[in-house]
Amino acid sequence: TQLLEQSPQFLSIQEGENLTVYCNSSSVFSSLQWYRQEPGEGPVLLVTVVTGGEVKKLKRLTFQFGDARKDSSLHITAAQPGDTGLYLCAGGRGDYGGATNKLIFGTGTLLAVQP
Amino acid sequence: DADVTQTPRNRITKTGKRIMLECSQTKGHDRMYWYRQDPGLGLRLIYYSFDVKDINKGEISDGYSVSRQAQAKFSLSLESAIPNQTALYFCATRPGQYTNTGELFFGEGSRLTVL
Repeated sequence: TQLLEQSPQFLSIQEGENLTVYCNSSSVFSSLQWYRQEPGEGPVLLVTVVTGGEVKKLKRLTFQFGDARKDSSLHITAAQPGDTGLYLCAGGRGDYGGATNKLIFGTGTLLAVQP
Repeated sequence: DADVTQTPRNRITKTGKRIMLECSQTKGHDRMYWYRQDPGLGLRLIYYSFDVKDINKGEISDGYSVSRQAQAKFSLSLESAIPNQTALYFCATRPGQYTNTGELFFGEGSRLTVL
């Protein structure tokens, strides 16, 4: 059973456009991470949010954790070709940073930004 | 050089063959993980280990086995490969409990094709 659903699954946009990727679940998570994976590479962490309603910004990327800690969104402003990749959300279960903390990954969103 | 190294990077094999994927890390992390990635399914956890001789099943362990030979090495075996084990496999590491920010550090992946 997939606990974290991402939408859209695929997204192809032109350089300069804005976009939002959603990560939804019916379960509560203690933390939510976003990773980006480029072709031929492993995923790399972009951000971790741990508080309901938390918003974090990383240059043109804005991440939000839902108030109930069941969902998250990633918004990219003025997308660039370098933003191309697979975006994965991952929900943490158990104590954040603790021995029992486990990550459940979302289904992924493949983003292509055309120049 | 990569902190988390996987070998081989690509492997094509036949049904029924035994395959071993190896992972070594220079990050000094206690925790090591094997994930499987399939399009539209994100990353699914196969096995994980918190220390040498500590082995734990993930959500899709059937048909796989692992060995944690040393802190830095964690290998994944397919005793008798079948075509639906064709996938991209990732090894990942994480620090121990008291320095754990929740971030997973991934290798570059091993693409396995079972004919």
